[in-house]
Amino acid sequence: EDQVTQSPEALRLQEGESSSLNCSYTVSGLRGLFWYRQDPGKGPEFLFTLYSAGEEKEKERLKATLTKKESFLHITAPKPEDSATYLCAVQAMETSGSRLTFGEGTQLTVNP
Amino acid sequence: GAVVSQHPSWVICKSGTSVKIECRSLDFQATTMFWYRQFPKQSLMLMATSNEGSKATYEQGVEKDKFLINHASLTLSTLTVTSAHPEDSSFYICSARKGTGGWYEQYFGPGTRLTVT
Repeated sequence: EDQVTQSPEALRLQEGESSSLNCSYTVSGLRGLFWYRQDPGKGPEFLFTLYSAGEEKEKERLKATLTKKESFLHITAPKPEDSATYLCAVQAMETSGSRLTFGEGTQLTVNP
Repeated sequence: GAVVSQHPSWVICKSGTSVKIECRSLDFQATTMFWYRQFPKQSLMLMATSNEGSKATYEQGVEKDKFLINHASLTLSTLTVTSAHPEDSSFYICSARKGTGGWYEQYFGPGTRLTVT
């Protein structure tokens, strides 16, 4: 059974204080790992897809990296508008229908 | 990027009535769409996978006769909650797969808040 564990559950940062969110996963074979951002009362917003260990992708203050067991979402010099819940999801090679398995998310709060 | 819309964004209905939620991919074609349910402070729970022109595949524990899914075209999937009850009150979110084969991205709609009174 595919499993995704995100840590920490909640993270409070001061504006400008860089940090990382962790996503550990267990799958029989990884097809892709996805990062999303979700604001309260809204649908998740696509951030990144990573397909193979060693891959990195960046978008503004966010950088996602992938190893064979986990992924990190690095936030550099965060701003209050980066406050949101960040969700990680995986799709396994054997998964039919492209279904994703989501973690519980990390709720990030950036204080001004 | 890609845009997925949902309608309505929120709906209030009486117990025993049915509610239809639409999910549209606005600038791409999606052979596969997904329906999720999300409770407060929890992650997304996949309800079903919707494939254009064929029957939906439901996750274990999801009543297919209660949550009717129709994927009538490459840009539209609908979820109908039949004979709704207060316990069906939740945040329903759809997503659409963009891309083919093993390389794709999944984009989400803004969600529909359903309240059953």
